[in-house]
Amino acid sequence: QKEVEQNSGPLSVPEGAIASLNCTYSDRGSQSFFWYRQYSGKSPELIMFIYSNGDKEDGRFTAQLNKASQYVSLLIRDSQPSDSATYLCAVNFLLVRGTSYGKLTFGQGTILTVHP
Amino acid sequence: ETGVTQTPRHLVMGMTNKKSLKCEQHLGHNAMYWYKQSAKKPLELMFVYSLEERVENNSVPSRFSPECPNSSHLFLHLHTLQPEDSALYLCASSPVFGGRRTIQETQYFGPGTRLLVL
Repeated sequence: QKEVEQNSGPLSVPEGAIASLNCTYSDRGSQSFFWYRQYSGKSPELIMFIYSNGDKEDGRFTAQLNKASQYVSLLIRDSQPSDSATYLCAVNFLLVRGTSYGKLTFGQGTILTVHP
Repeated sequence: ETGVTQTPRHLVMGMTNKKSLKCEQHLGHNAMYWYKQSAKKPLELMFVYSLEERVENNSVPSRFSPECPNSSHLFLHLHTLQPEDSALYLCASSPVFGGRRTIQETQYFGPGTRLLVL
């Protein structure tokens, strides 16, 4: 059973602070890693993906991947109240049956609250 | 219209009803997915279609029946559902590549259908 674990929170940070969201996964064969943001009552929207060890930065967001430790994190710098949402970590195991497609396993999500 | 669309956005049905959920993607993708999202649970993959062929069925009860007539459309036919089937049903799509190249997949989600079974 492939598992993805996240601290459900809620994680509360003040406006302007750095929010740190963590995720561990059990399947060493996992090949790519995604962070989605989901506002209440809405569908998940992609924030970032990462597939190589190290850091990947996009604006205020930085994804960090450590495959040896089976750990992926998301840092949000200069947190804003509009960042308040549930953050979903998803791990992709690529399946090849003639053609390739992804099979995502999601964590339960971390609720982030950014207070003014 | 762009992205992934789903209809209806909200659905209330009795346990003896038959209804269908529709998903349409305008991204040129060839893989489509159905997910179920219940309160306090992670997103659960239900079905995967790749190039219009069903390639994954994650032990989903037969009261859920998917259909993929072409690469842009995906349906989920519902019949004799149970109250515990009440959830947000999400459709997603992604590219498909031939061969055994290592790739990273990105799935894009539709807005979902909020289903309530009475």
